[in-house]
Amino acid sequence: EIVLTQSPGTLSLSPGERATLSCRASQTVSGNYLAWYQQKPGQSPRLLIYYTSTRATGVPDRFSGSGSGTDFTLTISSLEPEDFAVYYCQRYGGPQAFGGGTKVEIK
Amino acid sequence: EVQVVDSGGGLVQPGGSLRLSCAASGFTFTSYAMGWVRQAPGKGLEWVSSVKGDGRDTYYADSVKGRLTISRDNSKNMVYLQMNSLRVEDTAVYYCAKEIWGGVMDHWGQGTLVTVSS
Repeated sequence: EIVLTQSPGTLSLSPGERATLSCRASQTVSGNYLAWYQQKPGQSPRLLIYYTSTRATGVPDRFSGSGSGTDFTLTISSLEPEDFAVYYCQRYGGPQAFGGGTKVEIK
Repeated sequence: EVQVVDSGGGLVQPGGSLRLSCAASGFTFTSYAMGWVRQAPGKGLEWVSSVKGDGRDTYYADSVKGRLTISRDNSKNMVYLQMNSLRVEDTAVYYCAKEIWGGVMDHWGQGTLVTVSS
């Protein structure tokens, strides 16, 4: 069973700053089948990235994904006010698993 | 426009049963797998179950195997989650979602709250 560990648990940043979120898998993620979701309070999750680095429809290009093997990263190049939320990584293409989440909060 | 609307949550006693429903529209229903993800109060996301487009193949998290059953009615564009032998730890918001590419969830329902308590 694959386990996804996200770090940090909370990231305190100001608008305009760069955010770097990490997702580490307990075993190799085959096919780079790694996705990222954003969830705001009281809302359903929203798909941001799949296949490690492919942005979903309508996702701004300030969001980018990278990585391979067991280490993956979601980068937000310049935080907008609407980007403060919780972010989850997900392994798919086999037994599915979500990471524990990283909260990006306003500093 | 793709729409996913989940319903059926409520308060149930430990050991009880509940059936969640999910109505989908705006896409060719039989071409896509559908899944359920839950979120306990104040916690993260947990994948629960998925069903392939033809309904023949189903998948479950170990935590719910043998107690929860996913199914779909392709004539009605509906997905169901039959929940039996419910436990306090099953308390969560349950989301239904359309899946692409082997498990990527690209459209989500609004969620339905299941509370298991005596």
